[in-house]
Amino acid sequence: DAGITQSPRHKVTETGTPVTLRCHQTENHRYMYWYRQDPGHGLRLIHYSYGVKDTDKGEVSDGYSVSRSKTEDFLLTLESATSSQTSVYFCAIQRQRGDGYTFGSGTRLTVV
Amino acid sequence: GNSVTQMEGPVTLSEEAFLTINCTYTATGYPSLFWYVQYPGEGLQLLLKATKADDKGSNKGFEATYRKETTSFHLEKGSVQVSDSAVYFCALSDLDTGRRALTFGSGTRLQVQP
Repeated sequence: DAGITQSPRHKVTETGTPVTLRCHQTENHRYMYWYRQDPGHGLRLIHYSYGVKDTDKGEVSDGYSVSRSKTEDFLLTLESATSSQTSVYFCAIQRQRGDGYTFGSGTRLTVV
Repeated sequence: GNSVTQMEGPVTLSEEAFLTINCTYTATGYPSLFWYVQYPGEGLQLLLKATKADDKGSNKGFEATYRKETTSFHLEKGSVQVSDSAVYFCALSDLDTGRRALTFGSGTRLQVQP
């Protein structure tokens, strides 16, 4: 009954390969976000979605794409993984403007 | 644009010591303010929030007061425990900009020693 789950929890991939991370929610929240967390940088917004097929770029979107074909799923794709994309990725959901987020447990991605 | 500045860590305290983690912000409007906590290997959890000036958010012994005049939202706890060891993030949501995404500080690691 976590409400938001991310998969996989850990992944190691090779440089140049495509990778897709999944965020799934059971809360029927409209707003979903992808962040990356790196030492010294806190959380940085990659992409976000305000509804099905309604997505937009955050501050560090280069090299990433997203899709939201259903309310419950928000996919993050690294089109051609690079070592600089080694990070911990968090998905978050938000019920309405001004609310806080509920975060997933994160995906630790290592690009070798 | 919006920004959140937190004190550098790590903050190392002995059990039962008083905790303050400073947070100041820059926003164009009147933001809502949040503190999140991240335990090792986990996602961030909402700790407390305040939505207008002079509001005090509180949870699990932690408190923070929204100070518009000093643009601050410092986190305090009167007596920390070893179990409070975690990374703490200050964040804001500025509805006046139309941006729904939260802006986060860089996080402050707290280490509490027995």
